Amino acid sequence: NAGVMQNPRHLVRRRGQEARLRCSPMKGHSHVYWYRQLPEEGLKFMVYLQKENIIDESGMPKERFSAEFPKEGPSILRIQQVVRGDSAAYFCASSPGRGNSGYTFGSGTRLTVV
Amino acid sequence: GENVGLHLPTLSVQEGDNSIINCAYSNSASDYFIWYKQESGKGPQFIIDIRSNMDKRQGQRVTVLLNKTVKHLSLQIAATQPGDSAVYFCAENIMEYGNKLVFGAGTILRVKS
Repeated sequence: NAGVMQNPRHLVRRRGQEARLRCSPMKGHSHVYWYRQLPEEGLKFMVYLQKENIIDESGMPKERFSAEFPKEGPSILRIQQVVRGDSAAYFCASSPGRGNSGYTFGSGTRLTVV
Repeated sequence: GENVGLHLPTLSVQEGDNSIINCAYSNSASDYFIWYKQESGKGPQFIIDIRSNMDKRQGQRVTVLLNKTVKHLSLQIAATQPGDSAVYFCAENIMEYGNKLVFGAGTILRVKS
């Protein structure tokens, strides 16, 4: 039973390019969450999605960032026109339902903007 | 609460000793708390959780204590092992509002052999 799968593990982008981060939840999990972690800091919530719906995007920057979780396929976190300040580790978690039971994190994507 | 970009506090313990890692949480309305372990280059790994109607919960080698009066959470690790070396985060949640977790700043645990 594979865990939460994120790819790529490492992503390097030049300023102004787009970054697309993918997350496949655990089998049977229909709820996905994205978090961002800066060096030596805790994770900060970005967005919570269910299939085809954004439930809570209170942590998403207003511009350049978007997330989706389509009916088929992985959840995608998209960052347009990346800037150096976007460099961070982005973690995805999934859960089977609304409660916190079974909340599991992936290994993250480390984005470096050069 | 918000984290600031400061160096994380570090706890150094001798192998075999007990470790106590502390966390002050931010929201008195939080009713669910989790401790996570994060090793270098990896995602957070669940250790133990506790709901606000409890003040203590024990797992294998770990105990979480919750003091709602002062909004304080602690993680006790018995007989600390080198494999316990990692960054430890507490996270809080208000279950009624969904699954958003608010993480603390983290503590580095270093186990000396």
